Amino acid sequence: GESVGLHLPTLSVQEGDNSIINCAYSNSASDYFIWYKQESGKGPQFIIDIRSNMDKRQGQRVTVLLNKTVKHLSLQIAATQPGDSAVYFCAENPGGGNKLTFGTGTQLKVEL
Amino acid sequence: EPEVTQTPSHQVTQMGQEVILRCVPISNHLYFYWYRQILGQKVEFLVSFYNNEISEKSEIFDDQFSVERPDGSNFTLKIRSTKLEDSAMYFCASSEREGRQPQHFGDGTRLSIL
Repeated sequence: GESVGLHLPTLSVQEGDNSIINCAYSNSASDYFIWYKQESGKGPQFIIDIRSNMDKRQGQRVTVLLNKTVKHLSLQIAATQPGDSAVYFCAENPGGGNKLTFGTGTQLKVEL
Repeated sequence: EPEVTQTPSHQVTQMGQEVILRCVPISNHLYFYWYRQILGQKVEFLVSFYNNEISEKSEIFDDQFSVERPDGSNFTLKIRSTKLEDSAMYFCASSEREGRQPQHFGDGTRLSIL
């Protein structure tokens, strides 16, 4: 049968504004999380990671927040730039192995 | 910055043919992975490889698939008899260590089965 493609949620922001991209993860045993950025025609590019013993981690212009109680992860991008336009994926490591389970992805569009 | 490189960028193959996708992981990395992304769908784990052995594989990775590290730099994914549903982007990734480590991805090989 024909596969139904995912309808990616889209976040549109003005250049210079802050962006918040959300992700709900499924496995309460997951103890490691990564945010990836994927530009058209390219592979997932590592942005930032966080372990389950933390609830916040900051990088350059990015912050990841982890709420284990509600199994929620967010990526905050400060002063969003046109080059930030891409699909953003969260990925979880379900614990004890190397496999990453990816989320659906969010399309970020930065308007000038 | 070191990166994972994949060749070819696009492979077109007739159904039933064998195909080999090639990857050069980051040089000091010890763990290697293949993922695939069917058009419009999520990135899916296929297999992880360490010390010349498969350490984990998904249910997608059936007997038609195999991986190999033929020398000190290359890591390959072979599909023995391709099917239409194998059409996808195939991503290679590597990490320095196992577990809670970032996996770094190549730009993928687009595999089109006719």
